[in-house]
Amino acid sequence: QKEVEQNSGPLSVPEGAIASLNCTYSDRGSQSFFWYRQYSGKSPELIMSIYSNGDKEDGRFTAQLNKASQYVSLLIRDSQPSDSATYLCAVNFSGGYNKLIFGAGTRLAVHP
Amino acid sequence: SAVISQKPSRDICQRGTSLTIQCQVDSQVTMMFWYRQQPGQSLTLIATANQGSEATYESGFVIDKFPISRPNLTFSTLTVSNMSPEDSSIYLCSVRGHQNAEAFFGQGTRLTVV
Repeated sequence: QKEVEQNSGPLSVPEGAIASLNCTYSDRGSQSFFWYRQYSGKSPELIMSIYSNGDKEDGRFTAQLNKASQYVSLLIRDSQPSDSATYLCAVNFSGGYNKLIFGAGTRLAVHP
Repeated sequence: SAVISQKPSRDICQRGTSLTIQCQVDSQVTMMFWYRQQPGQSLTLIATANQGSEATYESGFVIDKFPISRPNLTFSTLTVSNMSPEDSSIYLCSVRGHQNAEAFFGQGTRLTVV
């Protein structure tokens, strides 16, 4: 079992729609979760962090966390072509050294 | 967030040689990490760079191949030794301020081994 799993996509949505990105993780002791966006040829940039069960909203982005189900998601409302990128889910695994483990990423394509 | 300067930004190297990548942060940070991102793949953690002591390597990565230094809280280097074409990848420096904090990344070093 992979430690952090995401659907690789591509996920294609029309402009203005809601994009839903999902992530599951294996470490039940994980306490912090992050979503990153990565444009081609660029380094990852942080979009959202979430630490508690429930929803966290920031502008057009909403992160959702369910620790019991070991599931975290990212919703992007009113998707724009500029949102087209790869979205990486990252989980802070418990145990030593607090390392962040990344999923394979979901490629999102927003078409006009 | 910290400003992270990584260099070189890219390099083309001959097989069998070594390349040292530098990561400089504009403020003291608790944790520094090195990741590798192979073409079309996600980020794989190479090691945690520990200040004043040996780095902590992940499974599949060894000190002889990827020696790491971290002499202080703002600077680290990663060396890719005895390179082969399989080492062609993007190498990323990352910092975190504390446990459970978000990570920030340098611009990356795109390495091509010929």
